[in-house]
Amino acid sequence: DSGVTQTPKHLITATGQRVTLRCSPRSGDLSVYWYQQSLDQGLQFLIQYYNGEERAKGNILERFSAQQFPDLHSELNLSSLELGDSALYFCASSVGLGAYEQYFGPGTRLTVT
Amino acid sequence: GESVGLHLPTLSVQEGDNSIINCAYSNSASDYFIWYKQESGKGPQFIIDIRSNMDKRQGQRVTVLLNKTVKHLSLQIAATQPGDSAVYFCAGQGTGRRALTFGSGTRLQVQP
Repeated sequence: DSGVTQTPKHLITATGQRVTLRCSPRSGDLSVYWYQQSLDQGLQFLIQYYNGEERAKGNILERFSAQQFPDLHSELNLSSLELGDSALYFCASSVGLGAYEQYFGPGTRLTVT
Repeated sequence: GESVGLHLPTLSVQEGDNSIINCAYSNSASDYFIWYKQESGKGPQFIIDIRSNMDKRQGQRVTVLLNKTVKHLSLQIAATQPGDSAVYFCAGQGTGRRALTFGSGTRLQVQP
């Protein structure tokens, strides 16, 4: 158990819908990272927040957004969902600003039908 | 940008043997690397990391070797066990970067 929690574990929704994925980092970690894992793309970095502020962006679509709250939990919002958004979404956390020693949560499996 | 790749998609070993999983990277400015293990249906699990000022680091039954000259790193697992069966990813971070770049993964299969 990494100490990172994610909810929900599974999510099934229809195209065009909007969903919110939630992540709670390990106790003491200030950075939260979101990754997408699909069969043809592997693990892709989406976005990083550190202590409530966005600090780095990867290949995140404009339809996706995230935020980190004062209690350091983070939410990833996916809107206007398409079939190709079906994937595993992982959250990871680390103590500092750099991407050192990231610990991953169990993931949310999103299926768009 | 940086890319991190793996030599083999699948590695099959006998229980008790040593396993070696290889990884190549392209960005010579990469200063930090991590190996993760991912079991089916689970998130990547941190195994071991290494900074670019080192060429070897050992953990419990695992050793990571870094060869900066040829931009290559490897993960060695001693006395491989059935519980080691999983997909193994290497990931790297370039200087000043915030994100990890992941390789495509190697599936390790341990035969009894």
